[in-house]
Amino acid sequence: GAGVSQSPRYKVTKRGQDVALRCDPISGHVSLYWYRQALGQGPEFLTYFNYEAQQDKSGLPNDRFSAERPEGSISTLTIQRTEQRDSAMYRCASSPSGRWNEQFFGPGTRLTVL
Amino acid sequence: GQQVMQIPQYQHVQEGEDFTTYCNSSTTLSNIQWYKQRPGGHPVFLIQLVKSGEVKKQKRLTFQFGEAKKNSSLHITATQTTDVGTYFCVRSNAGGTSYGKLTFGQGTILTVHP
Repeated sequence: GAGVSQSPRYKVTKRGQDVALRCDPISGHVSLYWYRQALGQGPEFLTYFNYEAQQDKSGLPNDRFSAERPEGSISTLTIQRTEQRDSAMYRCASSPSGRWNEQFFGPGTRLTVL
Repeated sequence: GQQVMQIPQYQHVQEGEDFTTYCNSSTTLSNIQWYKQRPGGHPVFLIQLVKSGEVKKQKRLTFQFGEAKKNSSLHITATQTTDVGTYFCVRSNAGGTSYGKLTFGQGTILTVHP
């Protein structure tokens, strides 16, 4: 079956612009997670949802970052007023009910802020 | 959250040699997961260890969880070029309600020379 998909795969934007990154989880997966991965590092947790409820947003770096999952399926991570330090690979993952440690990752969105 | 420390950071082996990576925590872990990320790819779940002293095998891969649940190891017997990638040990949030929050170690980058 289809895995986690993310769009766009690459995004180049100018400093100060807003960006919206989309994640389409595996069908039926209850939980959805957002991570940020710098080159040569492991993924760093940002936030996650169970269904449409945002369970933990402790990893969001500041209030320019927000995420939503209004219908419990597709999720959007929004970064407002982007800065160069926001440049990274943004990864989405999903997991079935009760198996939150077995997360299926998508291909990621490579964000470059000029 | 608490980090898990992995050693070594890099490992170069000749094809056919064995490989081991170690993961250590200063606090007791409720469980530990291992993920693999191929170059240019996304993290892929390998296994979860839960019980003290647990040993699990997947073909040439052997995973161990320490008796004190503070360390873990991944051993690969007779490496192949397909084993190339970064191996992450990953802890989950213990207790509370944020079960989905994973904390990745810095990873061990394995290179296999044919």
